[in-house]
Parts: sequence; C-alpha cells; structure tokens
Amino acid sequence: KAGVTQTPRYLIKTRGQQVTLSCSPISGHRSVSWYQQTPGQGLQFLFEYFSETQRNKGNFPGRFSGRQFSNSRSEMNVSTLELGDSALYLCASSRTDANTGELFFGEGSRLTVL
Amino acid sequence: AQSVAQPEDQVNVAEGNPLTVKCTYSVSGNPYLFWYVQYPNRGLQFLLKYITGDNLVKGSYGFEAEFNKSQTSFHLKKPSALVSDSALYFCAVRDESGGFKTIFGAGTRLFVKA
Repeated sequence: KAGVTQTPRYLIKTRGQQVTLSCSPISGHRSVSWYQQTPGQGLQFLFEYFSETQRNKGNFPGRFSGRQFSNSRSEMNVSTLELGDSALYLCASSRTDANTGELFFGEGSRLTVL
Repeated sequence: AQSVAQPEDQVNVAEGNPLTVKCTYSVSGNPYLFWYVQYPNRGLQFLLKYITGDNLVKGSYGFEAEFNKSQTSFHLKKPSALVSDSALYFCAVRDESGGFKTIFGAGTRLFVKA
C-alpha cells in the first residue's frame, strides 16, 4: 500500500511569490492534516480536512490556505511568501474520521524562501 | 486549550540501558495521547497511542508508554536502548472535545551511544 505522497519534495522561492504544495493520502484515508515544522517552533498545526471540508484550523495568517478534493487529495497554498515561511511542510492522513486515529505522515515538502 | 510539554531537549543513554522520554499534557476533556518518531529528513512515524483502557500501552520497535492521569503524563519507555533508536521523538495529544487537531510537543532528541 502506497504511503502519503507529497510533492514537490524541495522547492526554492523568493519573497512575495506564492507556492502550492500537494498531498496524496493513503488510499481510503479521508482525513488530511497539514503541519509546518521549523527548528524554532516545532510542529505547528495548519489545518485539517475531511470530505472536502475544513474541520479545524491553526493560528496562521490568511496567506495560508488549503483545500481537499473529492478523491481526498489535498493542496495547501501560501501566498506572498515571507522569509519566515521557510520550513518543512508535512501532510498526514488518517483512516478514520474518529478522533482516535493516528496520523500517517508524508516525507514533507521543504520550502526555502530567499 | 490542548498543550503538550516535553521537558528535555535531549536524552542521552548507553546502548542496552533503559530509556525514558518524558511528556506531560494538558487538555480540557479526556486525552488521546500519541508518540511519534522522526528520523533525519523523514516524516514522522507513529509509535503508539493511548485512547482508553490499560494504562500501559505497547507499540512498535519494543517501545511502551505509561498513561498517568493524576500526573497528566505519558512517558515513553524502552527496556533496552539500541543505537538505531537515536532519533527525534514527539509526544502528541488530542482532546476528545477539541476537534480533529493533534497538538505536538517540541520534541526530544534521543541519542543512544554504543
């Protein structure tokens, strides 16, 4: 069974640009969560989607947005990039809509903003 | 609001010795607790979880964790450490009433010396 797939794995952008990251969950998983990982802030929750609906959102500015498609694939977008947006962005899927399910993570998309 | 604390940035242990990685949590309702491990340049991998029932839960790679409600702790343990256990360990919590949002601790780096 294929794991969570994130693309691209690495990307470099300049300030002011925008970026779109993609996540394909494990087959049959309908919940997708996104996290930002930085050395200083650790893992910060961005948002969670289930059946194309955002169920929860973290404390990030409106420049960070996401969506989920009918096939459970998800994308997140960051507009007007800032230097501080440089981070590893992790996507995770869960096979249950119950609150007790563990997360299965992709290997991340490493974004560098110059 | 949910929160997780991992009081140690790094834990050093000799191979063959027991290891403990500490975690305390704060939630408003019943907690759902998780441990994940992250190897260099990889996403997180699920180790174990506590939802309800027996306070001692067993997980992957010989790890176990003990839920202590009175101390609001969920420490990760292993009877005999291996060099290959060296990695970054994250404790995480969900609140049964807090929606589908998993909050992670800052992480503890485990270094096992041969």
